[in-house]
Amino acid sequence: QQQVRQSPQSLTVWEGETAILNCSYEDSTFNYFPWYQQFPGEGPALLISIRSVSDKKEDGRFTIFFNKREKKLSLHITDSQPGDSATYFCAASWYNQGKLIFGQGTKLSIKP
Amino acid sequence: DMKVTQMPRYLIKRMGENVLLECGQDMSHETMYWYRQDPGLGLQLIYISYDVDSNSEGDIPKGYRVSRKKREHFSLILDSAKTNQTSVYFCASSTGVNQDTQYFGPGTRLLVL
Repeated sequence: QQQVRQSPQSLTVWEGETAILNCSYEDSTFNYFPWYQQFPGEGPALLISIRSVSDKKEDGRFTIFFNKREKKLSLHITDSQPGDSATYFCAASWYNQGKLIFGQGTKLSIKP
Repeated sequence: DMKVTQMPRYLIKRMGENVLLECGQDMSHETMYWYRQDPGLGLQLIYISYDVDSNSEGDIPKGYRVSRKKREHFSLILDSAKTNQTSVYFCASSTGVNQDTQYFGPGTRLLVL
């Protein structure tokens, strides 16, 4: 059973548009949600994260919106750039545990 | 410069051979991880190590074992590799376990024939 689900599997947007990546989860006790960015041939790297006590987290062009009641979150990338083309993983974990549960990823392509 | 290294980067083995994947980190992180990544499945945790000789199974430990004799070094061993262990393997490290950032290595692409 996939505890963390992402949609869509792949997404293409034009440069300058806003890309929206979705994530949902099963376990209501998850309280930490990092998003990792992965370029081809590299390991994932932390992009931005949010804790369940917040409903929004911004870092430059990247914003996480979190809906605890619906167990959903989304990553918004505004003013998308070709350099944002990568695979994005949503993950979840519990307090005081190192274990991350990853979604299956969304491959984002930005057309110039 | 915070870095996680993995060796080798690419490896081809025959079914039944033993495989050793090595991981190092220069950040004195207590916690280290081994994941595998397969298309459509994201990353799955194989083992987590909380410190030297303090290892725990992750979600898919079957067919794997690990060794951590020094804090900066974490090995993944496949005894008698199977074709379904063909995958990309990532090592990661973090300061602790309290939702600390995990730093990933570049991965090892393993093909088992």
